Amino acid sequence: GAGVSQTPSNKVTEKGKYVELRCDPISGHTALYWYRQSLGQGPEFLIYFQGTGAADDSGLPNDRFFAVRPEGSVSTLKIQRTERGDSAVYLCASSLNRLTNEQFFGPGTRLTVL
Amino acid sequence: GIQVEQSPPDLILQEGANSTLRCNFSDSVNNLQWFHQNPWGQLINLFYIPSGTKQNGRLSATTVATERYSLLYISSSQTTDSGVYFCAVERNAGGTSYGKLTFGQGTILTVHP
Repeated sequence: GAGVSQTPSNKVTEKGKYVELRCDPISGHTALYWYRQSLGQGPEFLIYFQGTGAADDSGLPNDRFFAVRPEGSVSTLKIQRTERGDSAVYLCASSLNRLTNEQFFGPGTRLTVL
Repeated sequence: GIQVEQSPPDLILQEGANSTLRCNFSDSVNNLQWFHQNPWGQLINLFYIPSGTKQNGRLSATTVATERYSLLYISSSQTTDSGVYFCAVERNAGGTSYGKLTFGQGTILTVHP
């Protein structure tokens, strides 16, 4: 079956603009995660959804970042008033459920804020 | 939070050589995964191994949960093995889990022909 997909693959925006990043998890996976990876670093956790609700948003850096998963499948990460420091690769992962939590990652969205 | 340390940070091999990558973690875990990040940035699942030993072709992994470390073995390395290898853990907190993975800094592997 299909893996995790993310769109767009690349996004270039200007400082201060609003962006949306989309994630389509593996079909049937109830858990969805967003991570952010800066150059030379390992991915860092942002937010975790179990179904439609955000079970853990402790990794969101500030209130400019927000994510939704209204129907328990596709998720959108939203960044307001982008800053140059937001430039990174944003990765989405999904897993079957909390008990079977092997996470599978999408190809990422490379965000560049000019 | 839980600390994850990987060693060595960099490794350069000739094709055909064997190698061992290590991951130490500071707390009890529910989940431990090894990933290979290819040059295009895709994280590829290698092993889901919170404990025990698994093998998949030229790769094998062992996690000793009681001693808080995991090892990834690569035998007869090939140029296509080049990339960054990450260990990631999900902390266990008294029978529940937090869900999120905490990643190490990675090991950069370069295999020369």
